[in-house]
Amino acid sequence: DAGVIQSPRHEVTEMGQEVTLRCKPISGHNSLFWYRQTMMRGLELLIYFNNNVPIDDSGMPEDRFSAKMPNASFSTLKIQPSEPRDSAVYFCASRSLEADTQYFGPGTRLTVL
Amino acid sequence: AQTVTQSQPEMSVQEAETVTLSCTYDTSESDYYLFWYKQPPSRQMILVIRQEAYKQQNATENRFSVNFQKAAKSFSLKISDSQLGDAAMYFCAYRSRYNAGNMLTFGGGTRLMVKP
Repeated sequence: DAGVIQSPRHEVTEMGQEVTLRCKPISGHNSLFWYRQTMMRGLELLIYFNNNVPIDDSGMPEDRFSAKMPNASFSTLKIQPSEPRDSAVYFCASRSLEADTQYFGPGTRLTVL
Repeated sequence: AQTVTQSQPEMSVQEAETVTLSCTYDTSESDYYLFWYKQPPSRQMILVIRQEAYKQQNATENRFSVNFQKAAKSFSLKISDSQLGDAAMYFCAYRSRYNAGNMLTFGGGTRLMVKP
């Protein structure tokens, strides 16, 4: 199994630009989570999906952030427009609804200049 | 809401020695899961060990074991025979078994340094 796949691994962009982060969950997993990790705030859950449906997006910081899961094997997290304070590592994780363990992707390190 | 606290920002251990990382949590629920994740410099979050709250037996995975004290809401991680590759950030995490959250609540992490 390839595990959770995230792309890109690194993204450097300028303030005001649109950023799209991508995630492919483990095949057969039907829950998907987006986390953000910063030094100041640690690991924060942004949003999660069950069976492609967003369940809880209360962690999404503001309207500039949006997430979609058009099918069971793909999700995106979009930031538009990006700001320097969005600089962080963004993790995607997936889990089978029948299981108790989330498996994390390698993360995307985002730098907004 | 559940909270997870790791009171040790940094810990150090000599190679081949044993170290224990502390974690406490606050919850009103009786059934839940607890996890320890390791994050090496590569940033990958790697599951180390997990514990089901309804099981009294402490989980063990090779050199890693936990001391789960449900009444005290404590979930410490013991690493035996520490190796250089164990150097990483370690995160304790909580997940409710039944609520719709499905989400993990993480502690602030403990940075473990292993001295050769």
